Amino acid sequence: DQQVKQNSPSLSVQEGRISILNCDYTNSMFDYFLWYKKYPAEGPTFLISISSIKDKNEDGRFTVFLNKSAKHLSLHIVPSQPGDSAVYFCAASADSGAGSYQLTFGKGTKLSVIP
Amino acid sequence: EAGVAQSPRYKIIEKRQSVAFWCNPISGHATLYWYQQILGQGPKLLIQFQNNGVVDDSQLPKDRFSAERLKGVDSTLKIQPAKLEDSAVYLCASSKWQRDLPTEAFFGQGTRLTVV
Repeated sequence: DQQVKQNSPSLSVQEGRISILNCDYTNSMFDYFLWYKKYPAEGPTFLISISSIKDKNEDGRFTVFLNKSAKHLSLHIVPSQPGDSAVYFCAASADSGAGSYQLTFGKGTKLSVIP
Repeated sequence: EAGVAQSPRYKIIEKRQSVAFWCNPISGHATLYWYQQILGQGPKLLIQFQNNGVVDDSQLPKDRFSAERLKGVDSTLKIQPAKLEDSAVYLCASSKWQRDLPTEAFFGQGTRLTVV
């Protein structure tokens, strides 16, 4: 049973336009959400996060929106650049015990930004 | 600040052989994770350590997989014997531990294992 779902395996966007990557989750215990970016042959790198007490977090060209009632979050990239082409993973965090947190990942969305 | 170091980068073995992966986390990071990423999937947690104690190993196939974190720093993950379905990238990650506060995990480059 997938607790974190990224239903779009791929997305193509023109350079300069907005990229919107979506993520849904089912576990109401998740209270912290993260986006990771992954280039081929590299490990995932942290991009941006949001706590469940917020509905928006912005960092430069990247904004994450959280809709708790819908159990949905999205990552907006504006403007999109060719260097943003990568696989983006949505991850959700819950307390795994003793104050320690555990990440559950979605399957990823491959973003291609076309020059 | 040095990142998470993993070795080897690539490994090819025959089924039923054994293999071991090594990870050195970021200095000062108390929490260490091993993830398995099968092609086309997201990373799946195998085991999580807090210092040298195991927090969660519920998804570790214990009949063939084992992991240890001696002295709460470096960690090794072993597979014995390997099966074809173990072909994947094995990612090590580490994070700071702040009680009751989630923090982002930093990943190594991973070890790509191919079992033939």
